Amino acid sequence: EAGVAQSPRYKIIEKRQSVAFWCNPISGHATLYWYQQILGQGPKLLIQFQNNGVVDDSQLPKDRFSAERLKGVDSTLKIQPAKLEDSAVYLCASSPRVPGDSPLHFGNGTRLTVT
Amino acid sequence: QKEVEQDPGPLSVPEGAIVSLNCTYSNSAFQYFMWYRQYSRKGPELLMYTYSSGNKEDGRFTAQVDKSSKYISLFIRDSQPSDSATYLCAMEAAGNKLTFGGGTRVLVKP
Repeated sequence: EAGVAQSPRYKIIEKRQSVAFWCNPISGHATLYWYQQILGQGPKLLIQFQNNGVVDDSQLPKDRFSAERLKGVDSTLKIQPAKLEDSAVYLCASSPRVPGDSPLHFGNGTRLTVT
Repeated sequence: QKEVEQDPGPLSVPEGAIVSLNCTYSNSAFQYFMWYRQYSRKGPELLMYTYSSGNKEDGRFTAQVDKSSKYISLFIRDSQPSDSATYLCAMEAAGNKLTFGGGTRVLVKP
């Protein structure tokens, strides 16, 4: 079974620039998550999709972050404009069934540095 | 107070020792409890997944959940240098989002 694919692996941008991350979940997984992991901390949920609908985006800074999941498969997360505090690893995860009923499978993340 | 508390470590042990990790939590609605292992520059990978209270064993790994004390543990027997990683506890209430601890960094010295 192929894992969760993410790209790019690394990205360095200047503050106020924009950036986009891409995620391809495990085939057949209905639920997709984007997490932000700041160095030395645990992952924090940004947004959760069930198929192509948003289940939870309560912790997404909507003034600068946006995400979409086209056709219930791939997803993109965008930051515009970036701030220094957005420097973190952005992890995508997927799971096969409804939340609370199956564990998450994570990709290796995109490491973002904002200078 | 954070919803899930985890000692950041680092926890350094000699090869072959038992590694003991734990998390405490405040939300009594949590029903699903997980332990993830994260190597440097990699995503978290699931180690153990338990529902409600009790023990679960898988090879060298044992997970314990004590819901009455709001306390979960992970034990690693016969630790190996390859077990050096950050260990994240995570928990979830039914139909809710997964909440992670901050992670404990473990170093197993040969």
